Amino acid sequence: AQTVTQSQPEMSVQEAETVTLSCTYDTSESNYYLFWYKQPPSRQMILVIRQEAYKQQNATENRFSVNFQKAAKSFSLKISDSQLGDTAMYFCAFMKPGYSGGGADGLTFGKGTHLIIQP
Amino acid sequence: DTEVTQTPKHLVMGMTNKKSLKCEQHMGHRAMYWYKQKAKKPPELMFVYSYEKLSINESVPSRFSPECPNSSLLNLHLHALQPEDSALYLCASSRLLRGPRGDTQYFGPGTRLTVL
Repeated sequence: AQTVTQSQPEMSVQEAETVTLSCTYDTSESNYYLFWYKQPPSRQMILVIRQEAYKQQNATENRFSVNFQKAAKSFSLKISDSQLGDTAMYFCAFMKPGYSGGGADGLTFGKGTHLIIQP
Repeated sequence: DTEVTQTPKHLVMGMTNKKSLKCEQHMGHRAMYWYKQKAKKPPELMFVYSYEKLSINESVPSRFSPECPNSSLLNLHLHALQPEDSALYLCASSRLLRGPRGDTQYFGPGTRLTVL
């Protein structure tokens, strides 16, 4: 079984600042996916970014980027030029791949980091 | 289009009621999921359907009964629930194919369930 650990229950930064959220995980799998999801007060779960474990290049999506360290089993999220709309709970999640002909697997989530962007 | 819809948005039921939650997607996804999320906690996987067949049941009590009538629709039938079952129930779907973003799960807005 895999575990995901987010050690920062809450973080608060000023608007326009850069913030990094930490995530570590434990698994014996060699191939897997990692995700960051955000959940604003509406509680809609929104995909922020994903990373395939076999890719060495760190994923980026506009202001969001990750620092993926496979050997260290670390997957941090960096948010640049933070905006008020980034205020949300951020979940790090792990998933084994599902392939055509096989079955899908579910996400294992960390406990989340509540990020507050101050004006 | 990555829309997953869920109905109803809110549901209040008594412990003796029978109700159903509905989830729908029209993205051609072949995997669908039910998660349960208590307040201030992460979502927890309940069920996974792959190609309309139940592939994972995370030891969920039998008072929760999933059903996948077709590739676009996922139901969760509720019967004789307990107050501790009150939670946000999230549905998700994914393509279940190799290739870019094949396994990315897209979530619906959830159903907030209160059991009295």
